[in-house]
Amino acid sequence: ETGVTQTPRHLVMGMTNKKSLKCEQHLGHNAMYWYKQSAKKPLELMFVYNFKEQTENNSVPSRFSPECPNSSHLFLHLHTLQPEDSALYLCASSQDRWADNEQFFGPGTRLTVL
Amino acid sequence: DAKTTQPTSMDCAEGRAANLPCNHSTISGNEYVYWYRQIHSQGPQYIIHGLKNNETNEMASLIITEDRKSSTLILPHATLRDTAVYYCIVRVNTDKLIFGTGTRLQVFP
Repeated sequence: ETGVTQTPRHLVMGMTNKKSLKCEQHLGHNAMYWYKQSAKKPLELMFVYNFKEQTENNSVPSRFSPECPNSSHLFLHLHTLQPEDSALYLCASSQDRWADNEQFFGPGTRLTVL
Repeated sequence: DAKTTQPTSMDCAEGRAANLPCNHSTISGNEYVYWYRQIHSQGPQYIIHGLKNNETNEMASLIITEDRKSSTLILPHATLRDTAVYYCIVRVNTDKLIFGTGTRLQVFP
């Protein structure tokens, strides 16, 4: 039980679809993160939000669009994805973005793009 | 790129201590050493972190060498549920966790 929830847990979409991933944290944290984990690859940081402001965009293609309406919620809007975007998408949160804070991860959304 | 090197895989008998090594020879003075683990198809789970001193919590112990160029994560009594990929991570700035390929620990009965 991590206090970070993600929905949906599994998603199959076509390349022309538009979908959104949702993350919610119940820990009172101020920083939230999106990571991507492709098969047999290390986790890659995608975006960082601190107090609702985006502080990091790790050269992510524009077909991935994050949204952070408040410190508890984080979305990842998906449109015109490619099959190589199929991966496990993980959300995490931490107290804030400073070094001595551990990140708590959600269970992830397993995305398949057909 | 990750600043750490870890063995690809290790085995450990159930009930025995699992000692997972990590090399981070280029670590800077203000960088912390973090350990996470990821059980198959789940999100990573924080285990422990430290700067200079050895640390212990309910999950594990972290031993950091005096020169800080390497560390060891110790699971004192491994169980089958400890089977996972263990990541040793050095924080490179205020918010990035850069994951490497980790060590796949297999605990066997």
